[in-house]
Amino acid sequence: EAGVTQSPTHLIKTRGQQATLRCSPISGHTSVYWYQQALGLGLQFLLWYDEGEERNRGNFPPRFSGRQFPNYSSELNVNALELEDSALYLCASSSIRQGRYSNYGYTFGSGTRLTVV
Amino acid sequence: GEDVEQSLFLSVREGDSSVINCTYTDSSSTYLYWYKQEPGAGLQLLTYIFSNMDMKQDQRLTVLLNKKDKHLSLRIADTQTGDSAIYFCAESSPADKLIFGTGTRLQVFP
Repeated sequence: EAGVTQSPTHLIKTRGQQATLRCSPISGHTSVYWYQQALGLGLQFLLWYDEGEERNRGNFPPRFSGRQFPNYSSELNVNALELEDSALYLCASSSIRQGRYSNYGYTFGSGTRLTVV
Repeated sequence: GEDVEQSLFLSVREGDSSVINCTYTDSSSTYLYWYKQEPGAGLQLLTYIFSNMDMKQDQRLTVLLNKKDKHLSLRIADTQTGDSAIYFCAESSPADKLIFGTGTRLQVFP
């Protein structure tokens, strides 16, 4: 079974540009979560999508947005990039149908490292 | 509020036990997790504990939960160099997103 896949692995953008990051969840998982891991910091929750809808959003400005497609894959878009957006962006998936408090937690992808220069 | 805290660094000798500590604030958390992150990789689920349990053992890993003090610990017995990584504790919140701690960098030296 394929795990959570993220693309691209690395992305270099200049300040002010837009970045698009992609995530494919594990087959059968309907929820996708996005986290930002800046250098030296923990994981900050960005967005949660389930069944195509945005369920929850972290404390990030509106230039961070995303969507979930009918096949449950997801995109994270970051507009008007700033130097501070440089980070590892991790995507995770889970199945709400396993129960609200699934004892399997999330399955994470390997991340996209975004560098803004 | 939601807040999960961990010490930043831990250094142990190979063969010794490692104990990584975590405190959380959300008393409604149902599951608590430990994840491992190796350099350049995503997070790997190591183990979890349900909030009505005090202890869980899984091979070299022992999780202790003190719900009264909202304190979670992960003990790694016979620590090996391959255990060197960042360890995150996480709690599941009522909104169902995981809240992660700051991570503890474990360094194992020979």
